[in-house]
Amino acid sequence: GNSVTQMEGPVTLSEEAFLTINCTYTATGYPSLFWYVQYPGEGLQLLLKATKADDKGSNKGFEATYRKETTSFHLEKGSVQVSDSAVYFCALSPNTGGFKTIFGAGTRLFVKA
Amino acid sequence: EAGVAQSPRYKIIEKRQSVAFWCNPISGHATLYWYQQILGQGPKLLIQFQNNGVVDDSQLPKDRFSAERLKGVDSTLKIQPAKLEDSAVYLCASSLEQGSYEQYFGPGTRLTVT
Repeated sequence: GNSVTQMEGPVTLSEEAFLTINCTYTATGYPSLFWYVQYPGEGLQLLLKATKADDKGSNKGFEATYRKETTSFHLEKGSVQVSDSAVYFCALSPNTGGFKTIFGAGTRLFVKA
Repeated sequence: EAGVAQSPRYKIIEKRQSVAFWCNPISGHATLYWYQQILGQGPKLLIQFQNNGVVDDSQLPKDRFSAERLKGVDSTLKIQPAKLEDSAVYLCASSLEQGSYEQYFGPGTRLTVT
């Protein structure tokens, strides 16, 4: 079945450091891939998405590229800020069949000033 | 536009009691989802509606959980009777359609079963 695996957290970085959060997936066909972010005390919100191989999603300085050959969708940001501290979830949604969205376990990011 | 509304925000009940959660999705969204998020884990889909119909309820514990979406708009999720392991945040989300469409999440209901 479909699944998503994220790197375990927490990840602790200093402000302006480079961020990578790894995400790999298992799926049949060509799912859409997402990164959602959950700030403290809030619901999940979409950060970025990619719907086909080699697409790059980007938003608020974050980027992720849909790599079909490595079944990966790693999240990157060149310079993190304290305000980026949150939990980040990688997710996939099949584009055929039951359309059931699968979320990874989440990676908590702490950014220190 | 108004976001996804959920109520109540918090609920504390004793095991074997019943509880109901309510969700009002974004207007015009055909797809509605209920997720269970246990502390430290990612959301797990309980049930997915497309308009009035159920698309997926494979992970819904049907002996105690039930959900309905009347007239393809509001939805309620019920647990009867509750168990200690049901303590979690219950998230409602909606999207225009299934598949590649962004899901919009409500703030969630934090349930504590004692």
